[in-house]
Amino acid sequence: DAGITQSPRHKVTETGTPVTLRCHQTENHRYMYWYRQDPGHGLRLIHYSYGVKDTDKGEVSDGYSVSRSKTEDFLLTLESATSSQTSVYFCAITGQGGTDTQYFGPGTRLTVL
Amino acid sequence: AQKVTQAQTEISVVEKEDVTLDCVYETRDTTYYLFWYKQPPSGELVFLIRRNSFDEQNEISGRYSWNFQKSTSSFNFTITASQVVDSAVYFCALSGSGYNFNKFYFGSGTKLNVKP
Repeated sequence: DAGITQSPRHKVTETGTPVTLRCHQTENHRYMYWYRQDPGHGLRLIHYSYGVKDTDKGEVSDGYSVSRSKTEDFLLTLESATSSQTSVYFCAITGQGGTDTQYFGPGTRLTVL
Repeated sequence: AQKVTQAQTEISVVEKEDVTLDCVYETRDTTYYLFWYKQPPSGELVFLIRRNSFDEQNEISGRYSWNFQKSTSSFNFTITASQVVDSAVYFCALSGSGYNFNKFYFGSGTKLNVKP
Protein backbone atom coordinates (compact mmCIF):
# COMPACT_ATOMS: atom_id res chain seq x y z
CA ASP A 1 0.00 0.00 0.00
CA ALA A 2 1.13 3.52 -0.81
CA GLY A 3 2.17 5.38 2.33
CA ILE A 4 -0.47 8.08 2.46
CA THR A 5 -2.15 9.30 5.61
CA GLN A 6 -4.78 11.95 6.12
CA SER A 7 -5.64 13.85 9.27
CA PRO A 8 -8.06 14.24 10.78
CA ARG A 9 -10.13 11.30 9.56
CA HIS A 10 -13.36 12.83 10.78
CA LYS A 11 -14.25 16.40 11.61
CA VAL A 12 -17.40 18.27 12.50
CA THR A 13 -17.23 22.04 12.38
CA GLU A 14 -19.50 25.04 12.18
CA THR A 15 -20.20 27.35 9.28
CA GLY A 16 -17.71 30.17 9.05
CA THR A 17 -14.83 28.46 10.84
CA PRO A 18 -11.49 27.76 9.14
CA VAL A 19 -10.54 24.13 8.59
CA THR A 20 -7.25 22.58 7.51
CA LEU A 21 -6.88 19.02 6.31
CA ARG A 22 -3.48 17.41 6.07
CA CYS A 23 -2.15 14.83 3.66
CA HIS A 24 1.18 13.17 4.39
CA GLN A 25 3.08 10.78 2.11
CA THR A 26 6.18 8.71 2.69
CA GLU A 27 6.73 7.82 -1.00
CA ASN A 28 8.61 10.98 -2.03
CA HIS A 29 6.21 11.37 -4.95
CA ARG A 30 6.11 14.61 -6.84
CA TYR A 31 2.41 14.95 -7.57
CA MET A 32 -0.24 15.32 -4.89
CA TYR A 33 -3.96 15.96 -5.23
CA TRP A 34 -7.04 16.86 -3.25
CA TYR A 35 -10.45 15.57 -4.32
CA ARG A 36 -13.89 15.74 -2.87
CA GLN A 37 -16.41 12.95 -3.24
CA ASP A 38 -20.12 13.64 -3.23
CA PRO A 39 -23.02 11.35 -4.17
CA GLY A 40 -23.68 11.39 -7.90
CA HIS A 41 -20.49 13.31 -8.70
CA GLY A 42 -17.74 10.80 -8.28
CA LEU A 43 -14.40 12.37 -7.45
CA ARG A 44 -13.81 15.99 -8.34
CA LEU A 45 -10.41 17.61 -8.30
CA ILE A 46 -10.02 20.59 -5.97
CA HIS A 47 -6.32 21.41 -6.26
CA TYR A 48 -3.17 19.60 -7.14
CA SER A 49 0.56 20.09 -6.69
CA TYR A 50 3.38 19.20 -9.05
CA GLY A 51 6.16 20.06 -6.65
CA VAL A 52 7.05 22.01 -3.53
CA LYS A 53 5.32 25.38 -3.70
CA ASP A 54 3.89 24.50 -7.15
CA THR A 55 0.12 24.17 -7.13
CA ASP A 56 -2.76 24.60 -9.53
CA LYS A 57 -6.53 24.70 -9.41
CA GLY A 58 -8.85 21.88 -10.26
CA GLU A 59 -12.49 21.98 -11.34
CA VAL A 60 -13.98 22.84 -7.92
CA SER A 61 -11.37 25.09 -6.32
CA ASP A 62 -13.60 27.96 -5.15
CA GLY A 63 -13.53 28.28 -1.36
CA TYR A 64 -10.37 26.19 -0.99
CA SER A 65 -6.68 26.96 -0.82
CA VAL A 66 -3.66 24.66 -0.61
CA SER A 67 -0.05 24.79 0.40
CA ARG A 68 2.92 22.53 -0.07
CA SER A 69 6.06 23.57 1.76
CA LYS A 70 7.55 20.07 1.88
CA THR A 71 7.43 17.16 -0.56
CA GLU A 72 5.65 14.98 1.95
CA ASP A 73 2.86 17.32 3.06
CA PHE A 74 -0.05 18.84 1.16
CA LEU A 75 -2.51 20.95 3.14
CA LEU A 76 -6.04 21.83 2.13
CA THR A 77 -7.65 24.84 3.82
CA LEU A 78 -11.24 25.92 3.90
CA GLU A 79 -10.91 29.56 4.89
CA SER A 80 -14.53 29.86 6.00
CA ALA A 81 -16.36 26.55 5.87
CA THR A 82 -19.85 26.37 4.39
CA SER A 83 -22.43 23.59 4.51
CA SER A 84 -21.85 22.93 0.80
CA GLN A 85 -18.35 21.82 1.70
CA THR A 86 -19.64 18.90 3.70
CA SER A 87 -18.06 15.99 1.87
CA VAL A 88 -15.49 13.23 1.95
CA TYR A 89 -12.05 14.51 1.01
CA PHE A 90 -9.42 12.28 -0.52
CA CYS A 91 -5.76 12.97 -0.99
CA ALA A 92 -3.89 11.17 -3.77
CA ILE A 93 -0.36 10.88 -5.11
CA THR A 94 1.23 9.80 -8.35
CA GLY A 95 4.74 8.76 -9.11
CA GLN A 96 7.75 10.57 -10.41
CA GLY A 97 7.67 9.66 -14.04
CA GLY A 98 5.07 9.95 -16.74
CA THR A 99 1.42 9.50 -16.06
CA ASP A 100 1.55 6.97 -13.32
CA THR A 101 -1.08 5.23 -11.28
CA GLN A 102 -2.77 7.41 -8.71
CA TYR A 103 -2.99 6.09 -5.16
CA PHE A 104 -5.36 7.41 -2.56
CA GLY A 105 -5.33 8.14 1.13
CA PRO A 106 -8.06 6.80 3.42
CA GLY A 107 -10.22 9.94 3.21
CA THR A 108 -11.47 12.59 5.64
CA ARG A 109 -15.16 12.94 6.36
CA LEU A 110 -15.96 16.61 6.98
CA THR A 111 -19.32 17.82 8.22
CA VAL A 112 -20.07 21.53 8.29
CA LEU A 113 -23.08 22.39 10.43
CA ALA B 1 -12.17 18.51 -22.86
CA GLN B 2 -11.67 15.34 -20.90
CA LYS B 3 -14.76 13.49 -19.82
CA VAL B 4 -15.65 10.08 -18.46
CA THR B 5 -19.20 8.76 -18.51
CA GLN B 6 -20.44 5.84 -16.49
CA ALA B 7 -24.06 5.69 -17.49
CA GLN B 8 -24.97 2.84 -15.13
CA THR B 9 -25.63 4.41 -11.75
CA GLU B 10 -26.43 1.17 -9.97
CA ILE B 11 -26.52 -2.50 -10.96
CA SER B 12 -27.86 -5.43 -8.97
CA VAL B 13 -27.00 -9.02 -9.76
CA VAL B 14 -27.25 -12.37 -8.05
CA GLU B 15 -24.06 -14.11 -7.04
CA LYS B 16 -22.35 -16.06 -9.84
CA GLU B 17 -23.83 -13.89 -12.56
CA ASP B 18 -21.48 -12.10 -14.94
CA VAL B 19 -21.70 -8.32 -14.98
CA THR B 20 -20.21 -5.63 -17.22
CA LEU B 21 -19.61 -2.08 -16.10
CA ASP B 22 -19.51 0.45 -18.92
CA CYS B 23 -17.09 3.34 -19.28
CA VAL B 24 -17.07 5.80 -22.17
CA TYR B 25 -14.46 8.53 -22.39
CA GLU B 26 -13.80 11.67 -24.38
CA THR B 27 -10.39 13.14 -25.06
CA ARG B 28 -8.48 14.92 -27.80
CA ASP B 29 -5.15 13.66 -26.54
CA THR B 30 -3.45 11.00 -28.64
CA THR B 31 -1.66 9.66 -25.59
CA TYR B 32 -3.87 8.95 -22.61
CA TYR B 33 -4.37 6.50 -19.79
CA LEU B 34 -7.42 4.77 -18.46
CA PHE B 35 -7.96 3.39 -14.98
CA TRP B 36 -10.46 1.48 -12.92
CA TYR B 37 -10.79 1.83 -9.16
CA LYS B 38 -12.93 -0.03 -6.65
CA GLN B 39 -14.45 1.59 -3.58
CA PRO B 40 -15.85 -1.03 -1.20
CA PRO B 41 -18.31 -0.10 1.57
CA SER B 42 -15.36 0.58 3.88
CA GLY B 43 -14.60 3.65 1.76
CA GLU B 44 -11.04 3.29 0.56
CA LEU B 45 -10.19 3.58 -3.12
CA VAL B 46 -8.41 0.57 -4.54
CA PHE B 47 -6.55 0.64 -7.84
CA LEU B 48 -7.52 -2.17 -10.23
CA ILE B 49 -5.96 -1.50 -13.63
CA ARG B 50 -4.12 1.05 -15.76
CA ARG B 51 -4.13 0.96 -19.55
CA ASN B 52 -2.42 3.31 -22.03
CA SER B 53 -3.92 4.39 -25.33
CA PHE B 54 -1.41 2.44 -27.40
CA ASP B 55 -2.26 -0.88 -25.86
CA GLU B 56 -5.64 -2.16 -26.97
CA GLN B 57 -5.10 -5.68 -25.79
CA ASN B 58 -7.79 -6.92 -23.50
CA GLU B 59 -6.65 -7.94 -20.07
CA ILE B 60 -7.80 -10.66 -17.74
CA SER B 61 -6.95 -10.94 -14.07
CA GLY B 62 -8.72 -13.80 -12.38
CA ARG B 63 -12.45 -13.08 -12.55
CA TYR B 64 -11.84 -9.55 -13.82
CA SER B 65 -11.43 -8.59 -17.46
CA TRP B 66 -11.21 -5.31 -19.31
CA ASN B 67 -12.19 -4.54 -22.89
CA PHE B 68 -10.53 -1.44 -24.35
CA GLN B 69 -11.92 -0.26 -27.70
CA LYS B 70 -10.55 2.99 -29.10
CA SER B 71 -13.04 2.89 -31.98
CA THR B 72 -15.92 3.37 -29.55
CA SER B 73 -13.93 5.22 -26.84
CA SER B 74 -14.88 2.60 -24.31
CA PHE B 75 -13.07 0.78 -21.54
CA ASN B 76 -15.52 -1.71 -20.09
CA PHE B 77 -14.98 -3.88 -17.05
CA THR B 78 -16.44 -7.37 -16.69
CA ILE B 79 -16.66 -9.44 -13.53
CA THR B 80 -17.22 -13.12 -14.19
CA ALA B 81 -19.06 -15.24 -11.63
CA SER B 82 -19.65 -12.30 -9.33
CA GLN B 83 -19.33 -12.68 -5.58
CA VAL B 84 -20.78 -10.74 -2.67
CA VAL B 85 -17.31 -9.30 -1.99
CA ASP B 86 -17.48 -7.58 -5.39
CA SER B 87 -20.18 -5.28 -4.04
CA ALA B 88 -18.68 -1.80 -4.29
CA VAL B 89 -18.70 1.41 -6.26
CA TYR B 90 -16.47 1.22 -9.30
CA PHE B 91 -14.90 4.29 -10.88
CA CYS B 92 -13.41 4.69 -14.32
CA ALA B 93 -10.81 7.46 -14.77
CA LEU B 94 -8.88 9.14 -17.57
CA SER B 95 -5.57 10.99 -17.64
CA GLY B 96 -3.95 12.58 -20.67
CA SER B 97 -0.99 14.45 -22.00
CA GLY B 98 0.03 18.07 -22.48
CA TYR B 99 -2.27 20.22 -20.35
CA ASN B 100 -3.92 17.04 -19.08
CA PHE B 101 -0.66 15.43 -18.03
CA ASN B 102 -1.13 13.81 -14.63
CA LYS B 103 -4.63 15.28 -14.32
CA PHE B 104 -7.23 12.67 -13.59
CA TYR B 105 -10.88 12.83 -14.56
CA PHE B 106 -13.29 10.43 -12.92
CA GLY B 107 -16.68 9.13 -13.92
CA SER B 108 -19.51 9.36 -11.42
CA GLY B 109 -19.19 5.69 -10.54
CA THR B 110 -21.32 2.57 -10.81
CA LYS B 111 -22.59 0.95 -7.64
CA LEU B 112 -22.60 -2.81 -7.93
CA ASN B 113 -24.78 -4.85 -5.58
CA VAL B 114 -24.13 -8.57 -5.60
CA LYS B 115 -26.81 -10.49 -3.74
CA PRO B 116 -26.29 -13.96 -2.32
